[in-house]
Amino acid sequence: NAGVTQTPKFQVLKTGQSMTLQCAQDMNHEYMSWYRQDPGMGLRLIHYSVGAGITDQGEVPNGYNVSRSTTEDFPLRLLSAAPSQTSVYFCASSYSWVSGGPSFVNTDTQYFGPGTRLTVL
Amino acid sequence: EDKVVQSPLSLVVHEGDTVTLNCSYEVTNFRSLLWYKQEKKAPTFLFMLTSSGIEKKSGRLSSILDKKELSSILNITATQTGDSAIYLCAVEAGNQGGKLIFGQGTELSVKP
Repeated sequence: NAGVTQTPKFQVLKTGQSMTLQCAQDMNHEYMSWYRQDPGMGLRLIHYSVGAGITDQGEVPNGYNVSRSTTEDFPLRLLSAAPSQTSVYFCASSYSWVSGGPSFVNTDTQYFGPGTRLTVL
Repeated sequence: EDKVVQSPLSLVVHEGDTVTLNCSYEVTNFRSLLWYKQEKKAPTFLFMLTSSGIEKKSGRLSSILDKKELSSILNITATQTGDSAIYLCAVEAGNQGGKLIFGQGTELSVKP
């Protein structure tokens, strides 16, 4: 298994440009998420998905879009990059299951991809 | 607002020393607390804690959760230079699983 893979590893954008950060996992995990990591702030959740066709916002969703058309892939799109989006982006995935009702999703340990370092000039 | 705070933010020790890293949290609907180690790239999983008072061990690392005090500690005994890393504490909280709230991290530097 390759685990969680992310591309590209590094990217430099100009303000206003758009791009998509790719994330894929081959562990058949239903749950996938995107985090950004900034100095002194830990990791913050951007968007997450509990399964194909289902996405939701995390703590810092503004400026980012996601979609989940397959179980394996969870791309993160920046429609109009801003310098404030300069950061290291991590994708994560985990096994998940539902208990106590359809909206009660439980997850196992989240495994992280290697990260994408994005600079917006 | 849900919050996770780690202390200290940075720590320098010598090989062989024992260190204790702290994590405290204020969250709604606590589900679990996780420790990760990050060495210049992706965080790698160390421990997941859900029950108070039960120590989890892996080699020289151990961790325990205190739900009464809303905190956890990560102990590293006989530190080695390879233990140098950022140690991240994250709390899974809320009505739906998977949403992790991270602390700022503790940067540990182990000198030979």
